[in-house]
Order: sequence, then C-alpha cells, then structure tokens
Amino acid sequence: EDKVVQSPLSLVVHEGDTVTLNCSYEVTNFRSLLWYKQEKKAPTFLFMLTSSGIEKKSGRLSSILDKKELFSILNITATQTGDSAVYLCAVSGRDKIIFGKGTRLHILP
Amino acid sequence: DAGVIQSPRHEVTEMGQEVTLRCKPISGHNSLFWYRQTMMRGLELLIYFNNNVPIDDSGMPEDRFSAKMPNASFSTLKIQPSEPRDSAVYFCASSFPTTSVGEQFFGPGTRLTVL
Repeated sequence: EDKVVQSPLSLVVHEGDTVTLNCSYEVTNFRSLLWYKQEKKAPTFLFMLTSSGIEKKSGRLSSILDKKELFSILNITATQTGDSAVYLCAVSGRDKIIFGKGTRLHILP
Repeated sequence: DAGVIQSPRHEVTEMGQEVTLRCKPISGHNSLFWYRQTMMRGLELLIYFNNNVPIDDSGMPEDRFSAKMPNASFSTLKIQPSEPRDSAVYFCASSFPTTSVGEQFFGPGTRLTVL
C-alpha cells in the first residue's frame, strides 16, 4: 500500500535552533517528492525533489532526497518564530499524490 | 494573478442537504486537484483533473461525492446528500503539469460544517 510517513509528529524548539524533519515513503512508480508549509491557511509550496542526492536550498531551508532508502529530510537552520507551521511531505506516483500527516513545528521565542 | 479562487469560504448546512463547492484555477494551469483536510485524516486527495479530464478519482469517498470540470477555468465538487462526517476544509489546487505532479498552488479552502 502506498504511504507517506512523517516524523516527528510534533516538535518544539527554541529560536535559533536547527531542526530536521523526516519523510519516508512507499509509492508505486515514484515521480517526485514535495514539501509544503501550512500555517493557518492553505499549504504553500517549498520544494520539489526528483533526483537523489541533490540538495535544494531556499534561504535557511534545505531538503534532500534519497531514492534508494526512500526518504527525504527538510532542514531549517537558525529557526525563527515565523517558521512555526505544519510541514507537509507529499509523494507523487503515476496518476496519484499522497500527503503525509505533517510535522507540527513550534518555535519558542 | 488572483491565485486559485474558491467559493464559498465557509458553508454551514444541515445533514441531507446538497453542497456545491466551486473552484477557479490559475489561468494557464491545466491540472486541478480537490483535497479534503481533517485533523484525523490529514490532507487527502479526492480527485484530480488534467486538461479537464478526471485522471484519478480513487480518493472520492463514495457515490455521494461528484466532481466536474466543464472547462479549463471552473470546477465543482458536489456532495449530495451531505453528512456530518463530511465536515472538513476542502481545498482546490492547480498546477501546470510536467512529467510529474509538480508545484501546486492551493486556494484558500472552503470550511464545510454539516450539522
């Protein structure tokens, strides 16, 4: 059965800390892995990963995919209170997309 | 660009009533997705269209749910009859397709409450 599992479910850290969010998956005919950030409204796109070992970076956020071990990580360095959100991982296969339950990140000032 | 537009933003209805949710994708995007989000089940894909044609509707919970995309700029998701367990936030998203399901732009969602 196709699935996406994110860990941890919830994380509380202090401002300035570095966090690593995990996403493991099993999907038939893998095409891409996507990360989204969801605050109080709709998810907003962060990254799309299709190739193993190539890091994608955007400011303090970075992500990498391992297609052999079927997982991805999302790193956030020097966290800020504005990073508090639910981070969603999604995996697309042939004609489908599956979302994980998300990691709820809370940054304490 | 106004982004993905959904209406209504909030809907409260009674069990048994018909509910119709509406979505206008971003102009030029030819893939459209309907999702449902609840605390218990997270974000679930209900159905998606490519060039107005339904590609995968395996996520549609049951026959009470139906979706249409009569043209490239409009889609509806209908629930008839509605039940309390349908209460959720329903998102519409659109994307320009590549070889995979790519970056999706989400609308603001419709919060549905069925009493």
